[in-house]
Parts: sequence; C-alpha cells; structure tokens
Amino acid sequence: QKEVEQDPGPLSVPEGAIVSLNCTYSNSAFQYFMWYRQYSRKGPELLMYTYSSGNKEDGRFTAQVDKSSKYISLFIRDSQPSDSATYLCAMAPFLSGNTGKLIFGQGTTLQVKP
Amino acid sequence: DVKVTQSSRYLVKRTGEKVFLECVQDMDHENMFWYRQDPGLGLRLIYFSYDVKMKEKGDIPEGYSVSREKKERFSLILESASTNQTSMYLCASNPSLARNTYEQYFGPGTRLTVT
Repeated sequence: QKEVEQDPGPLSVPEGAIVSLNCTYSNSAFQYFMWYRQYSRKGPELLMYTYSSGNKEDGRFTAQVDKSSKYISLFIRDSQPSDSATYLCAMAPFLSGNTGKLIFGQGTTLQVKP
Repeated sequence: DVKVTQSSRYLVKRTGEKVFLECVQDMDHENMFWYRQDPGLGLRLIYFSYDVKMKEKGDIPEGYSVSREKKERFSLILESASTNQTSMYLCASNPSLARNTYEQYFGPGTRLTVT
C-alpha cells in the first residue's frame, strides 16, 4: 500500500463548479501538507502549504487537513478553464534530522470546461 | 521569488551516452532534489543533497549519480543513458529545515529522450 493515495482522475467539471481534490495517507507522523499545481509540460508550482490540522484559505483555494481521518482536501471555488492542470498532494513528517524529503501523491488531472 | 532553473527543456541523447542535467537555484537553499516523473508512476526521488558535497540516495538511484560542488548547483549524471531513462526530470530546492519549512520549489523540468 502506498503511503499517499490520490485518485488520478481525470476529473472533468463545468466552469464555475466547486472542485474537491483529495488525498489519503497512512503515516500518522505526517505534519506538513502541500498542494502543487502542474500545467502540462511544466514543473509543479506550490499552491498551498499547511501545518498540522485545520483549514487554510487563499483566494478561490481552500486546503483542509483532517489528521484524525488521515485525509487532506483542496477545494477550488468558481473553477476556471485556467485551473485545468494536474494537482499533486505532498506531505512530510516532523522528524529531527529529516532532510525535507516529501512524499507525493500520484496527482489528479483536472479539466474545467468553458 | 524563488527561481530554480534547469539547463535544458528538451534533450535527445543516444543509448550509452553520458548525460549531464544541470540545476541552479538562486535563493541560497540548503536542500536540493532530483526527481523523475513518468505517467502512472508519479514523482520518484532519485537523489537529494542537504549540503555542498553531501548527497543521499532516493528511491531509484540506480543508473544515476549526482554532484554538488557549489551550494546553488546540483547536477544529475546519467553514466550510460538507456532507453528506460527517457522521462521528465525535475529539480527542486528547499530552504532549510532549521526554519521548519518543508515546501520544495521546482524547476521547469527537462524532458529527456534516449534513442
């Protein structure tokens, strides 16, 4: 079983829809959670970064962490065609001496249709 | 803004050639990483470096080596390129765990084709 599971999709939604992207994980030591957006043939760019549990909002994006369920989500409100990309979740444990190695999900491909 | 640059966007090499992929970051980051990304397999860590001249193997180091002679530069070397090394190669950097920051910043990627 992979440490981080993410449905690869593809997920297709109409413009203006609310999108929910999710990852589950098995390692209860994970404390740092990130979402990356990757456009086709480009490198991933950091979208959201949260520590431990709770919500974080940035414009149309909301990241949510539920450590009791080992489940993280990214919500996109009023989705736009420019949001069409692959979204990767990533996480890391809080361990002394850790060199910053991240565990990535496989990525979910999102298409927002005009 | 953090900037991570990679020497080539697209590269075509022949089987058996020695291949160098260069990565440079301009933010004085301590940690640097090399990944490959393949459809259905996601991002896989090849090597990482947490200081100049320091390196550690990632999940798939076979067939690769790395060099970090200066803090800002991290090179990936394919000693003898093979067709199964055709992939998208991504370099990333991370500030420092001393600041409790774990986010990584990625370069644009190098799409390598080995024929």
